[in-house]
Amino acid sequence: EVHLVQSGGGLVQPGGPLRLSCTTSGFTFSNYWMSWVRQAPGKGLEWVANIDQDGSEKYYVDSVKGRFTISRDNAKNSLSLQMNSLRAEDTAVYYCARDRYCDSAACYSNPLGPWGQGTLVTVAS
Amino acid sequence: DIVMTQSPDSLAVSLGERATINCKSSQSVLYSSNSKNYLAWYQQQPGQPPKLLIYWASTRESGVPDRFSGSGSGTDFTLTISSLQAEDVAVYHCQQYYSNPYTFGQGTKLEIK
Repeated sequence: EVHLVQSGGGLVQPGGPLRLSCTTSGFTFSNYWMSWVRQAPGKGLEWVANIDQDGSEKYYVDSVKGRFTISRDNAKNSLSLQMNSLRAEDTAVYYCARDRYCDSAACYSNPLGPWGQGTLVTVAS
Repeated sequence: DIVMTQSPDSLAVSLGERATINCKSSQSVLYSSNSKNYLAWYQQQPGQPPKLLIYWASTRESGVPDRFSGSGSGTDFTLTISSLQAEDVAVYHCQQYYSNPYTFGQGTKLEIK
């Protein structure tokens, strides 16, 4: 069974850093892109970033470019999101999710899923 | 970026009745080379992460009841629940995975009338 278990999160002051982690099991992690998605309180879902299967390609939503860094450790089946210069508007529940599948020939677009349980990040003084 | 717009924002339907949610994309999410629509629907219950219901616009995820169906192509899509059950109360989100950045609709809150 596929599992994505998140850790990190919490209360941080504006301008501060925070690191989120997502540990996976039940699938071949190194064959998949991975994404981070967030949901501000009472709001809809916003895709934040994704990373290809070997960590060489990374994409971000404009609002976090230059502040957030997505990374992965295929040996540990884990995904991370380093968040710096945090702002009040970054307050949200953050989810990791499995993304597109890659084999030796190509990568294949997939919907996002499964998802981690989510972790709340609150940016406030 | 592709903008996804859902309608309505909220919906109240009686148990056993049909619920219909619409999703419109600002540009086509139909990939001509494989004739697939890169459109997914998710169900999110309170305090829970989203759960994939439908992908490729009309393919049900394994384990999803057959009262859930998806339709549409190009820029206009519909999620239909044929006979609403109490456990279907949730927020429903559409999402395009045609291109980065992935984008979601604003969500539709479904309640029991």
